[in-house]
Amino acid sequence: KQEVTQIPAALSVPEGENLVLNCSFTDSAIYNLQWFRQDPGKGLTSLLLIQSSQREQTSGRLNASLDKSSGRSTLYIAASQPGDSATYLCAAPFSGGYNKLIFGAGTRLAVHP
Amino acid sequence: GAGVSQSPSNKVTEKGKDVELRCDPISGHTALYWYRQSLGQGLEFLIYFQGNSAPDKSGLPSDRFSAERTGGSVSTLTIQRTQQEDSAVYLCASSLASALNTEAFFGQGTRLTVV
Repeated sequence: KQEVTQIPAALSVPEGENLVLNCSFTDSAIYNLQWFRQDPGKGLTSLLLIQSSQREQTSGRLNASLDKSSGRSTLYIAASQPGDSATYLCAAPFSGGYNKLIFGAGTRLAVHP
Repeated sequence: GAGVSQSPSNKVTEKGKDVELRCDPISGHTALYWYRQSLGQGLEFLIYFQGNSAPDKSGLPSDRFSAERTGGSVSTLTIQRTQQEDSAVYLCASSLASALNTEAFFGQGTRLTVV
């Protein structure tokens, strides 16, 4: 069974800290991995998509890495700001005929001034 | 439009009534997904459309739920005889091709409350 796990479930940090969010998956035969952000009461905003042939992607202060062999992805947020407060979700479509994205439960991030 | 559009943004309905939720995907996107997010829960896959292929309905929780996609574009999710446990945010996403190789984009969701 394909599963995606995110640790920690919640994180509270002071403004300015660099932080790492973790995502692990059970099936190394993933095609890609996508990180999303969800603000309260809102939909999901795509942050980064890493193809299975890539090891990392960067967008501004965000850097996502992918290690298929160990079944892990990390989202690195540099110099965190209060506006980064949100829930961060990772998701992957798995092989074997499945087209649906399997989501982790998310990490709820709070960045306080 | 510039993004995935869902309507209505909020819907309150009485138990037992039918509801229809609409999703307008990004123009040109062949793949369309419906997910459900209950309060404090993760995203639950409901149904997936890819081009003219038969949809993947494996996530629909009961036969009260159905969805269609007309002309390969707009999709409607219908819930018949709504129950209180149907209360959730229903999210639609689209991608240029299969999720296997392209980025998925989500709408803002429809918050359904069954009273």
